[in-house]
Amino acid sequence: AQSVTQPDIHITVSEGASLELRCNYSYGATPYLFWYVQSPGQGLQLLLKYFSGDTLVQGIKGFEAEFKRSQSSFNLRKPSVHWSDAAEYFCAVGPQEGSNYKLTFGKGTLLTVNP
Amino acid sequence: EPEVTQTPSHQVTQMGQEVILRCVPISNHLYFYWYRQILGQKVEFLVSFYNNEISEKSEIFDDQFSVERPDGSNFTLKIRSTKLEDSAMYFCASRPQGLEQYFGPGTRLTVL
Repeated sequence: AQSVTQPDIHITVSEGASLELRCNYSYGATPYLFWYVQSPGQGLQLLLKYFSGDTLVQGIKGFEAEFKRSQSSFNLRKPSVHWSDAAEYFCAVGPQEGSNYKLTFGKGTLLTVNP
Repeated sequence: EPEVTQTPSHQVTQMGQEVILRCVPISNHLYFYWYRQILGQKVEFLVSFYNNEISEKSEIFDDQFSVERPDGSNFTLKIRSTKLEDSAMYFCASRPQGLEQYFGPGTRLTVL
């Protein structure tokens, strides 16, 4: 069964510092990979996605993520964090085959940004 | 920009009562989903719906749960007899032919 692990439950960074949120997945084939962000009281907003091709993908709000097949990882990065980035971040995987494309999520990483 | 909407934002109910959570997916989307997130746990898939029928459901989605698309716009999740453990945030999502799912803001269900 597919699974997603986000090892860091809570991360605190200073504004302007760089950020890396980790995501590891377990899946029988190459999955589709996603990062979602949830601000308080908001829904899940898609930051970026990987389907195929270039393993470094760019997303909204200055985020990027790199797919590393050998490490089964899809870590999210941002070179300089802004206070508005404080939110919860979810990594998710979905199958490349089948019609339902249901997503399997990690437990999320809560990001706190200090001024 | 079109978005998925959900009502109510918060629902409080007594154990054993029926609840209906409502979602309005994006209008030209074809596939619909419900997920839930128990506090402190992962977002979990409940059910997917396509062409007016359930296409896949998880083991969580037992006989107490049902989904319906009663008209061309709404997509509902009904829990027939709520239990304490049904307390969670419920997310609706929809997608077009592509792979990206668009999520609503969620309904927080509290069962007392």
